[in-house]
Amino acid sequence: AAGVIQSPRHLIKEKRETATLKCYPIPRHDTVYWYQQGPGQDPQFLISFYEKMQSDKGSIPDRFSAQQFSDYHSELNMSSLELGDSALYFCASSEEGVVNEQYFGPGTRLTVT
Amino acid sequence: GENVEQHPSTLSVQEGDSAVIKCTYSDSASNYFPWYKQELGKGPQLIIDIRSNVGEKKDQRIAVTLNKTAKHFSLHITETQPEDSAVYFCAAAQGVYSGGGADGLTFGKGTHLIIQP
Repeated sequence: AAGVIQSPRHLIKEKRETATLKCYPIPRHDTVYWYQQGPGQDPQFLISFYEKMQSDKGSIPDRFSAQQFSDYHSELNMSSLELGDSALYFCASSEEGVVNEQYFGPGTRLTVT
Repeated sequence: GENVEQHPSTLSVQEGDSAVIKCTYSDSASNYFPWYKQELGKGPQLIIDIRSNVGEKKDQRIAVTLNKTAKHFSLHITETQPEDSAVYFCAAAQGVYSGGGADGLTFGKGTHLIIQP
């Protein structure tokens, strides 16, 4: 079965640079969620989109923004990167009518040096 | 906001024995409770979930129970196997039963399950 696709899988950036992470949801899934997971920690919810509109907002820093496009893929834009932004970033998707049944992608490992 | 507590943080059991992981939540409005299994270097994998209108759900060797009055829910794994070794996360969210909804999940801190051969 098709899964959530995230790109890139690994990304190395320097402090103060910008990064863009991409997420392609499972076909027919119209809802996308972004999570951040630090080493040895639980995933922290950042933001979600339903039908291209922002739906719920968690602990997303003001330096980060995200959007969902007409084909339902989503991008997380991160600016003025800090060392503390180094983490795994997961995208999850769910299908309308199957509320909150979220399927996670393999993640993007971001390292800020 | 929601707060999810998960215990134990580490659980070691003999292969073939049962494992139980417990979680409590704080927000009485939460009505969706999934469990995820995460292996090293991989994304969380949804293994079972339960909604507030159900007290128990079972899928082969895995079962989840929910006590809404006490605000706690538990994961039970029977006949454990080496491939069950992983980190398990419980989570909670305010689901919406119709018309969509995209509430973020609040996770517990995770339980590292070790299956001893």
